[in-house]
Amino acid sequence: QQQVKQSPQSLIVQKGGISIINCAYENTAFDYFPWYQQFPGKGPALLIAIRPDVSEKKEGRFTISFNKSAKQFSLHIMDSQPGDSATYFCAASIENYGGSQGNLIFGKGTKLSVKP
Amino acid sequence: SQTIHQWPATLVQPVGSPLSLECTVEGTSNPNLYWYRQAAGRGLQLLFYSVGIGQISSEVPQNLSASRPQDRQFILSSKKLLLSDSGFYLCAWRAGGPVNEQFFGPGTRLTVL
Repeated sequence: QQQVKQSPQSLIVQKGGISIINCAYENTAFDYFPWYQQFPGKGPALLIAIRPDVSEKKEGRFTISFNKSAKQFSLHIMDSQPGDSATYFCAASIENYGGSQGNLIFGKGTKLSVKP
Repeated sequence: SQTIHQWPATLVQPVGSPLSLECTVEGTSNPNLYWYRQAAGRGLQLLFYSVGIGQISSEVPQNLSASRPQDRQFILSSKKLLLSDSGFYLCAWRAGGPVNEQFFGPGTRLTVL
């Protein structure tokens, strides 16, 4: 019940296309859903996050869509660029608790390659 | 603003040697601190987390240990390294309390030969 399932494992998109990465969770107590972007040899960087009071959040070309009833959330990268090529991780946690209940549960990652 | 440091950036160690990786955070107090390991091309495995000085929780049994001697310092150690300890080690922090924004350090690439 603590798992976050991420798909696909890898994704190849043409420059200018839309990249879509999906995550699903079981624990209905989760109320914080971030996405991280990791370039090779670097630490993951917080990209965008959503809380369940909204169904969509957009920052530039990056959009999170959240479906509370389906227990799913997804990252959309519009007008994908070669510089977006990286590994993307989704995560979930219970935001209003300290200790281990506030720890992020990560998906296994999606390696995105954007072809020029 | 907050900054997280890790050192060394890369490390090559023989099997059976000791290990000490250090992580420090600036610009915040009483953070929650985390150690993760990432095998090549794989996901993030949480190893240890700490909610305060001297308070360490281990997520998986292993050859490693962690300590938090100061509020903003987190150390990952081993007495004898194994080949399987090779990987990319990441330290992370988040503010104590209900906000769960978590930030990662630059990582240490450890190769055990």
